[in-house]
Amino acid sequence: EPEVTQTPSHQVTQMGQEVILRCVPISNHLYFYWYRQILGQKVEFLVSFYNNEISEKSEIFDDQFSVERPDGSNFTLKIRSTKLEDSAMYFCATTGLAVGDTQYFGPGTRLTVL
Amino acid sequence: GIQVEQSPPDLILQEGANSTLRCNFSDSVNNLQWFHQNPWGQLINLFYIPSGTKQNGRLSATTVATERYSLLYISSSQTTDSGVYFCAVMGGTSYGKLTFGQGTILTVHP
Repeated sequence: EPEVTQTPSHQVTQMGQEVILRCVPISNHLYFYWYRQILGQKVEFLVSFYNNEISEKSEIFDDQFSVERPDGSNFTLKIRSTKLEDSAMYFCATTGLAVGDTQYFGPGTRLTVL
Repeated sequence: GIQVEQSPPDLILQEGANSTLRCNFSDSVNNLQWFHQNPWGQLINLFYIPSGTKQNGRLSATTVATERYSLLYISSSQTTDSGVYFCAVMGGTSYGKLTFGQGTILTVHP
């Protein structure tokens, strides 16, 4: 069964550094999402992306965050200047042909900001 | 935005017992999914169920969209069922955003 993959599985960075989290969506999926989960809390939506544009974003997704599909396959989340409170598990998710269909989640990247 | 409430927050069972987890939501939905978060943090997709009833082995789920709730049934629970169960919904005006509940922490003792 096709899967969403994410790299790296764990990233440790210093406060103020830039990080890029990578996701490879399921082939032929058209809708892409990023979510995050701070330890012990619920999963929170960050952003949705369709047709090379952001279609919806949350108040968490401020100017420090950006997303893109640089090569038509990878889907990336960039955090420009990390803060301690950015430490969390980041999940990528993808959906096929219709926005209301099942979202398939990747295994996550655990980001630790020191 | 849409609100999602899950109950109970915690549930402790003996192996072999049955359980029911509930998810209430505040508005009409286009998507409702149940997830199991395993000890490694991975979100395992259990059901896509914006309405109706589905069964998969010992698990089944029912969503009554008109009354804005969904139920997840676990029968003959096993220790491997332990973890956090999340309900997530996409509101009718959303363009992909899943709103998660706070989760139910299930612990199954041998």
